Amino acid sequence: SQQGEEDPQALSIQEGENATMNCSYKTSINNLQWYRQNSGRGLVHLILIRSNEREKHSGRLRVTLDTSKKSSSLLITASRAADTASYFCATDYKAAGNKLTFGGGTRVLVKP
Amino acid sequence: DGGITQSPKYLFRKEGQNVTLSCEQNLNHDAMYWYRQDPGQGLRLIYYSQIVNDFQKGDIAEGYSVSREKKESFPLTVTSAQKNPTAFYLCASSAGGASGELFFGEGSRLTVL
Repeated sequence: SQQGEEDPQALSIQEGENATMNCSYKTSINNLQWYRQNSGRGLVHLILIRSNEREKHSGRLRVTLDTSKKSSSLLITASRAADTASYFCATDYKAAGNKLTFGGGTRVLVKP
Repeated sequence: DGGITQSPKYLFRKEGQNVTLSCEQNLNHDAMYWYRQDPGQGLRLIYYSQIVNDFQKGDIAEGYSVSREKKESFPLTVTSAQKNPTAFYLCASSAGGASGELFFGEGSRLTVL
């Protein structure tokens, strides 16, 4: 199936540092979403960016979308230990029907 | 409170048995989804439903079955035909399908003994 690929697979940073993760996808999309998952829990929606948008902010989160490169990035600024989680991108492919396709995720560890 | 409830949280099954995972939502959402997650992996779509009495296969539907008799409920049955059913199963719902935010339950962890 068409899945986004996330990079890096894992990231370890100190509290206060910024964390950046990237998502690449394969074909045209309607929108791209980012989700967070704490270990053993369900996913929580963070932000949605539409194909005609280039950047969105939500609190300490900044998401960019480059449709020419078929890629998106999620930046978490001034990270906290509570940001430790897995982060997933999910794409709404135009050709795929009414469903989201998830990437493999980036596991982020924020050390206090 | 509004949300999605999955049960049971943990389930053990012997080989050859069918099991049914429950998913109930009180968000009045039309679309509901079942995903499977293996350790350290992303989510893979099993089945989804955009409206009552209708559902579509996802990417890994073999060995699974669903029903959507009520808007609030979307149970998943893991049949004995599923070769490797041990996994974490996540149910989600959405008001706008893939064009909007998905709300997830807390998951059901199935272990085959």
